[in-house]
Amino acid sequence: GQNIDQPTEMTATEGAIVQINCTYQTSGFNGLFWYQQHAGEAPTFLSYNVLDGLEEKGRFSSFLSRSKGYSYLLLKELQMKDSASYLCAVRGDDYKLSFGAGTTVTVRA
Amino acid sequence: IAGITQAPTSQILAAGRRMTLRCTQDMRHNAMYWYRQDLGLGLRLIHYSNTAGTTGKGEVPDGYSVSRANTDDFPLTLASAVPSQTSVYFCASSDKAGDGADTQYFGPGTRLTVL
Repeated sequence: GQNIDQPTEMTATEGAIVQINCTYQTSGFNGLFWYQQHAGEAPTFLSYNVLDGLEEKGRFSSFLSRSKGYSYLLLKELQMKDSASYLCAVRGDDYKLSFGAGTTVTVRA
Repeated sequence: IAGITQAPTSQILAAGRRMTLRCTQDMRHNAMYWYRQDLGLGLRLIHYSNTAGTTGKGEVPDGYSVSRANTDDFPLTLASAVPSQTSVYFCASSDKAGDGADTQYFGPGTRLTVL
């Protein structure tokens, strides 16, 4: 089976940095995705990692360590609009995505 | 505007009734997926289709059926709805060209309540 863990909730102040961790135990590995989901809306793609290391995309960065079964999403210069749920998803041997339950980030003024 | 559309946006349904959720994409993506999202459980795959004419079962397929007659449409049918099928349903699609990320893109969702 697939097991993907991420914290349920995080709170941070506008302008700060927040790091959302994701650990996984899956049957095989063919990439890790991060999605953002605002309340009542669809998940939208943020980042994709398949090799170890850091992928930077503007204010958002994602890191992967395959040997540790670990990833994090780093959100810098937080803005109020970043208040959302962040979903970690792993693609396993069957090439299907398994999702974590999501981390709700609340940005306070 | 290119993307994925779902209908209806929301629905309240009596238990035992039959219901079809519609999903259409205009990106000419090969693969399509149906997920349900429940509080605290995250997105779970119901059924998928890697290409028109083929379908497969996901993690939670019981009580649901799908068909893929063409590239664009991927309807999900609940033959006899039960209260445990109350959820938000998301359709997604991906290019599945065999290389790269094969990122899945999601529709706006259908909120279904079964009473």
